[in-house]
Amino acid sequence: GQNIDQPTEMTATEGAIVQINCTYQTSGFNGLFWYQQHAGEAPTFLSYNVLDGLEEKGRFSSFLSRSKGYSYLLLKELQMKDSASYLCAVRFNQGGKLIFGQGTELSVKP
Amino acid sequence: KAGVTQTPRYLIKTRGQQVTLSCSPISGHRSVSWYQQTPGQGLQFLFEYFSETQRNKGNFPGRFSGRQFSNSRSEMNVSTLELGDSALYLCASSNRPDQPQHFGDGTRLSIL
Repeated sequence: GQNIDQPTEMTATEGAIVQINCTYQTSGFNGLFWYQQHAGEAPTFLSYNVLDGLEEKGRFSSFLSRSKGYSYLLLKELQMKDSASYLCAVRFNQGGKLIFGQGTELSVKP
Repeated sequence: KAGVTQTPRYLIKTRGQQVTLSCSPISGHRSVSWYQQTPGQGLQFLFEYFSETQRNKGNFPGRFSGRQFSNSRSEMNVSTLELGDSALYLCASSNRPDQPQHFGDGTRLSIL
């Protein structure tokens, strides 16, 4: 199938760095997206990777290895407002259909 | 630029009824996708439309249907509502199908 796997929960300390991993089936891969979703709100787009390597955007970076079917989202200088669910989504083949992982619930503690 | 607008924000229906949800994409965006979000199943893909054509459909029963208009606005319809249809329905738009999708605030549908 097209399962997307990511950890269910993570806890980190304010000011620290956290890495959220995502693995997926490589067949038909055509792009990977990370979204942030606060409770009761809509998902917000964070990053997009289609080629191997690291994409940096301020405190957030996302890495992709297509051959390994692996991505991670790196959050630096964690703030309390970063407590949210982080969703990994993969586009397989053509079109706009995204398959989402179950999300990683990140709790940032003081 | 205004974001994706979904109406209504909240809706309460009873079993057997039908419902129509509306989505206005970001201006200039021609691709619209719909997702269902529940605590147990997470975000699941329903449909994708581009230039009034349905390009992809998820694994949902035929009670779920949708369409896109010439101005890129989209609607989805659910007929013969079941208790299990209670969910947050999210619409997302992008300027092209391969580009990042931006989500609306969703319609929270509750079935009694």
